[in-house]
Amino acid sequence: NAGVTQTPKFQVLKTGQSMTLQCAQDMNHEYMSWYRQDPGMGLRLIHYSVGAGITDQGEVPNGYNVSRSTTEDFPLRLLSAAPSQTSVYFCASSYKGYTEAFFGQGTRLTVV
Amino acid sequence: AQSVTQLGSHVSVSEGALVLLRCNYSSSVPPYLFWYVQYPNQGLQLLLKYTSAATLVKGINGFEAEFKKSETSFHLTKPSAHMSDAAEYFCAVSEGQAGTALIFGKGTTLSVSS
Repeated sequence: NAGVTQTPKFQVLKTGQSMTLQCAQDMNHEYMSWYRQDPGMGLRLIHYSVGAGITDQGEVPNGYNVSRSTTEDFPLRLLSAAPSQTSVYFCASSYKGYTEAFFGQGTRLTVV
Repeated sequence: AQSVTQLGSHVSVSEGALVLLRCNYSSSVPPYLFWYVQYPNQGLQLLLKYTSAATLVKGINGFEAEFKKSETSFHLTKPSAHMSDAAEYFCAVSEGQAGTALIFGKGTTLSVSS
């Protein structure tokens, strides 16, 4: 079972560049979410989706866009990268919002 | 809105000693609570979860946690620490069945010395 797959694993961007972090799950989960992890800050929710075509903002949504055209995929877009977006990004999926979340291995992003 | 507070960003124990990691939550409805573990350079793995069935929850690797509504707590314990328990631990909450995504605490790093 692949579970939750994130690509790429590592990325270096220049300030102002845009990119998309990919997330795919093969468990037919309706709920998907993106978190960023920074030292001493834990995991903070960026955006989440409760099904195809439905997304909403989390705690730290500024500078990020999401869309959910299929159940399987939930990409995260950085429109104009800033050094403050240097972080480790995790994608998660779950059957419901209150059930166990399954996490990808993370994407380590550095913005210079 | 729900929130989680983990007391102590870093806990150090000796091998064989009791492990106690503290978590307090805030929720306007009966919560669903989780503990996750993260080993270096890896994703998060579920240790255990509370979903209102039993207040004492047993998880993997000998960990357990007790839900105490009166104290709004969900502390994680293990009777005897092992070197392999060294990792970062996260407590998370969902605001009942209306929860749309888990909300995490800031994490506690557990160090185990021989």
